[in-house]
Amino acid sequence: AQTVTQSQPEMSVQEAETVTLSCTYDTSENNYYLFWYKQPPSRQMILVIRQEAYKQQNATENRFSVNFQKAAKSFSLKISDSQLGDTAMYFCAFHNAGNMLTFGGGTRLMVKP
Amino acid sequence: DTEVTQTPKHLVMGMTNKKSLKCEQHMGHRAMYWYKQKAKKPPELMFVYSYEKLSINESVPSRFSPECPNSSLLNLHLHALQPEDSALYLCASSQGPQGGAGNQPQHFGDGTRLSIL
Repeated sequence: AQTVTQSQPEMSVQEAETVTLSCTYDTSENNYYLFWYKQPPSRQMILVIRQEAYKQQNATENRFSVNFQKAAKSFSLKISDSQLGDTAMYFCAFHNAGNMLTFGGGTRLMVKP
Repeated sequence: DTEVTQTPKHLVMGMTNKKSLKCEQHMGHRAMYWYKQKAKKPPELMFVYSYEKLSINESVPSRFSPECPNSSLLNLHLHALQPEDSALYLCASSQGPQGGAGNQPQHFGDGTRLSIL
C-alpha cells in the first residue's frame, strides 16, 4: 500500500510571489505516476500537473513545476507568479499502474492581494 | 466546464428517504469511480467500475448501492443514510481499467453535496 504525506496543512503567499508545496510518499512500486490536483471552493478537482516516475526530467506546466526526487520519494509543487485564482486546496496524489489514486491530506493555499 | 457531469449539485434528504446520485461522462472512459469527501479532507475511494463491472468496493456500507447502466453512466443509490454520511460525493472517470493506462489521470465532476437531516 502507498502512503502520501503533505506536511503543510495551510500556506499563504503574496500575489506574484513564488510558493512551494511539499509532498512525500512511500511505495515499493517502481513504475507509478504522481499528480497534483487543485480543488477550489467551486469543488471540482482539477489536474494541475503530472509526473511519470521513470522520467528524470521535472514536469512543468506554465507557472506550475515540480521537483521530483525519486530516491527521496519527494514530489513538491512550485507555483510561480501566484495569482488570486490559485487559492485552493492542493492534493498530491500517487497513481499506481492499477489506476488507483492515493491522496495526501491536502494543503490549503491562500494567495493574498 | 467539467467533462464529468454530476447531478444533483446539492441534495438534502432524511434518513428514511431513497435518492440517487448520477454521474455521466462522454469521453469514452471505461473506468468510473465514486469518492466521498468530508470537509478539509482528501477524497476517499468508495467504488470502482471497470468496463461496467464493479471491480472495487472499499468496504462501503450497503446503504450505498452503486450501479453502472452503461459505459457513460454511473449511479449511486442511497437508502437509510446516517448523518455522518453528509459529505461531498465525487464521481471520476479515467481512460483505462486496471493495468496499462496508469498515465491517464482521473477526471472529476463537480460533486454532489449531500446533507442528511
